[in-house]
Parts: sequence; structure tokens; C-alpha cells
Amino acid sequence: EVQLVESGGGLVQPGGSLRLSCAASGFTFSSFWMTWVRQTPGKGLEWVANIKQDGSEKYYVDSVKGRFTISRDNAKNSLFLQMNSLRDEDTAVYYCARGRYCSGPNCYSDSWGQGTLVTVSS
Amino acid sequence: DIVMTQSPEYLTVSLGERATINCKSSQSVLYSSNNKNYLAWYQQKPGQPPKLLFYWASTRESGVPDRFSGSGSGTDFTLTISRMQAEDVAVYFCHQYYSTPLTFGQGTRVEI
Repeated sequence: EVQLVESGGGLVQPGGSLRLSCAASGFTFSSFWMTWVRQTPGKGLEWVANIKQDGSEKYYVDSVKGRFTISRDNAKNSLFLQMNSLRDEDTAVYYCARGRYCSGPNCYSDSWGQGTLVTVSS
Repeated sequence: DIVMTQSPEYLTVSLGERATINCKSSQSVLYSSNNKNYLAWYQQKPGQPPKLLFYWASTRESGVPDRFSGSGSGTDFTLTISRMQAEDVAVYFCHQYYSTPLTFGQGTRVEI
């Protein structure tokens, strides 16, 4: 059974940093593109970033470029999201998801974690 | 960016009746080289992550009841629940994966 478990969320002040982790199990992690998606009550679901199987390609939504970095450790079946210079509008539940039938970064996600809440507030 | 617009935002359906959700993309998500629509549908229940229902606009994910169907091509898509059940109460999202940034519709809340 595919399992994705996010961790690392919490309360952080504007301008601060957080590192999210996603532990994957139940599938061959190194064979799949992986994705971060966030969700807020106001903006709904927003794709944040994708990373290729070997980490050689990374894609971001414009609003996080230069501030967030997606990475992975295939030896540890783990996905990460380093978030710097956090803003109020980054407040959301962040989901880790597995990509399927990807044409480059153009994947739909077939399995999602339960999410981790990031709150940016002073 | 491709904008996904769903209608209606809210839908109230009686048990056993049909529910129809529409999704329109601001540009075509049909890839001509493989004739596939890069469009997925998700169901999200309170406190849960989204669950994949359909991909390629009309391919049902394993385990999804056949009362759910997906249709459409190009820029106009529909998710239909043929006979509404209590467990179908949820928010439904369409999602284009034709080009980055990948984008989602704003969601349709379906209630009994």
C-alpha cells in the first residue's frame, strides 16, 4: 500500500524558514516524479513544485521560485521542501503526492499524504 | 497559466439523483500527438486529502464506483454522479496537467 507521511509543519514568523519532509513507503520511490501541493480555504488547491525521479529536474509555481527548494533522497525514500522567506500567503496545508504517467513535469497525482499545516504569522 | 473554472460552486442533490459538475479550461488541454486530454478529477472529503477519480478526462481510477463518469475534450469537461449516494458528499476538483504551472479548479461542493 502506498503511504506518504508529511512532517515538519508548524508556526513560523514572516521571513522565517521551515523544512517539510515526506516519508514514502509501499512503492519504488526512485521510479516516480514527486509533487508538493498546498491548500488554503481561500485559494483552494495550488501546485507548488515537482521533482524528477533522479532529482535532475525541478519545477516551481512562480510565487515560490527563489524561496522554496524541492529535493529528494532516494536512498531514504524521502521528499523535502525547504521553504525560506516565508510570507503570510504561504499559510496552507502542504501535501506530498506521487506523480503518475508524467510527461516531464506534467503529471497527475495518484496518491497523497494527509498533509502538514504551515502557519506563517507574527 | 491555464485557468480552470468549475460550475456550479455548490450543488445540492437528492439521494439517487444525478449530479453534474462542469469544468472549463482557459485553453485546450488536449495534446494532439497522443489525442489525450490532460485532465483529472479529484474527490475530497472533510479532513482527508484529495482522492483521484479520473485521469485522461475519462479513465476511471481503480476502485472508483461506476456511478461516477468523466467526459469531455479540449476545454470542456464534465464529472457525473449518476445516482447520488450519501458517501458522495464531498468537494470535487478538476485539474489540468497539460502544462506548468499545473492548476486546479476552485472546487464544487456537493451536498445532499
